[in-house]
Amino acid sequence: DQQVKQNSPSLSVQEGRISILNCDYTNSMFDYFLWYKKYPAEGPTFLISISSIKDKNEDGRFTVFLNKSAKHLSLHIVPSQPGDSAVYFCAASVTGTYKYIFGTGTRLKVLA
Amino acid sequence: GAGVSQSPSNKVTEKGKDVELRCDPISGHTALYWYRQSLGQGLEFLIYFQGNSAPDKSGLPSDRFSAERTGGSVSTLTIQRTQQEDSAVYLCASSTGGSLGYEQYFGPGTRLTVT
Repeated sequence: DQQVKQNSPSLSVQEGRISILNCDYTNSMFDYFLWYKKYPAEGPTFLISISSIKDKNEDGRFTVFLNKSAKHLSLHIVPSQPGDSAVYFCAASVTGTYKYIFGTGTRLKVLA
Repeated sequence: GAGVSQSPSNKVTEKGKDVELRCDPISGHTALYWYRQSLGQGLEFLIYFQGNSAPDKSGLPSDRFSAERTGGSVSTLTIQRTQQEDSAVYLCASSTGGSLGYEQYFGPGTRLTVT
């Protein structure tokens, strides 16, 4: 049972445009969400997080939106840059626990 | 190097052999995690250490898998009698605490291939 789903395995976007990566979850107990970026042959690196008390968190070009009623979060990258080309994972957890549940990832390709 | 390191970076082994994977977390990080990423899959949680204790080993796929951590630092993941389905990238991460809100820092992973 996949509790965190990233239904788009890949996405291509033109440089300078907006990239929107989506993530859906099924466990209504999840209340903390993170996005990680992964380059080939490297471990994932933390990008941005959001708590369920918020519906938006912004950090530079990266914004994460959370829609609790739809159990959906999205990562917006604007403007997209070629260096953003990577695999993006969303992850979810429950306050007070230590376990993060990861999605299967979306491969983003930003075209120059 | 201040990051999480893992060794070896690549390991090819024959089915039935035992393998040992090593993780050196960031100094001072009390929490350590092992994950597995199989082809086309997300990161699968295996085990979590707080200090030298593993409060939850339920993510380990079978009793062929075991892990230990010594001195609150280095951790080893051992897979006995490897099977082809064990082929994956094994990732280690560490963080300053085991509770929510602590960013996990990942190592580059060990790619295990069982032939």
